[in-house]
Amino acid sequence: DTGVSQDPRHKITKRGQNVTFRCDPISEHNRLYWYRQTLGQGPEFLTYFQNEAQLEKSRLLSDRFSAERPKGSFSTLEIQRTEQGDSAMYLCASSLAVLGEPLHFGNGTRLTVT
Amino acid sequence: GEDVEQSLFLSVREGDSSVINCTYTDSSSTYLYWYKQEPGAGLQLLTYIFSNMDMKQDQRLTVLLNKKDKHLSLRIADTQTGDSAIYFCAESITDSWGKLQFGAGTQVVVTP
Repeated sequence: DTGVSQDPRHKITKRGQNVTFRCDPISEHNRLYWYRQTLGQGPEFLTYFQNEAQLEKSRLLSDRFSAERPKGSFSTLEIQRTEQGDSAMYLCASSLAVLGEPLHFGNGTRLTVT
Repeated sequence: GEDVEQSLFLSVREGDSSVINCTYTDSSSTYLYWYKQEPGAGLQLLTYIFSNMDMKQDQRLTVLLNKKDKHLSLRIADTQTGDSAIYFCAESITDSWGKLQFGAGTQVVVTP
């Protein structure tokens, strides 16, 4: 068990460019979550998957954001036409689909939009 | 509402006990969690408690839950310099138990 893995760790992009992040969850975990954390704040929920199905999306997730988990294993989060306000740490977490099972977080991808 | 509030900063001397406090507003919260975040890193799960419990102890960590007052605390015994970090409490709700509501975090600074 290598934990939740995210790639890249850091991404610097110019406004208007598209970016894609990847998350590899703990292998036996069927739930995968994306959160966003801005400086000085706690993480905010964006979306989650159970296996390959995306079950919920936050209203924070504008139509420029799309997440996929095509085979129920790794997930990608794409941001199109990035804006400076998208600068944040994007955290992925995974868990078993059992009530109360805690989320295990990766080290995040820090996005800076210039 | 689903607000989770924490004090922003705590300074403690090495070897003393730290107590980090958290209040939440959603009475249907079922699980409450404590996470630790070191600079530039993700969140590390420390411990969690089910809402029908009053206390949980795990080595140097003790969680106390006062459900009537919606108050959660984390006590760290014999605080070490490696405990310096930001600590987040988070609540989950039965109907959306994977969708955690986090506080803004308490920065704990341990001085020698």
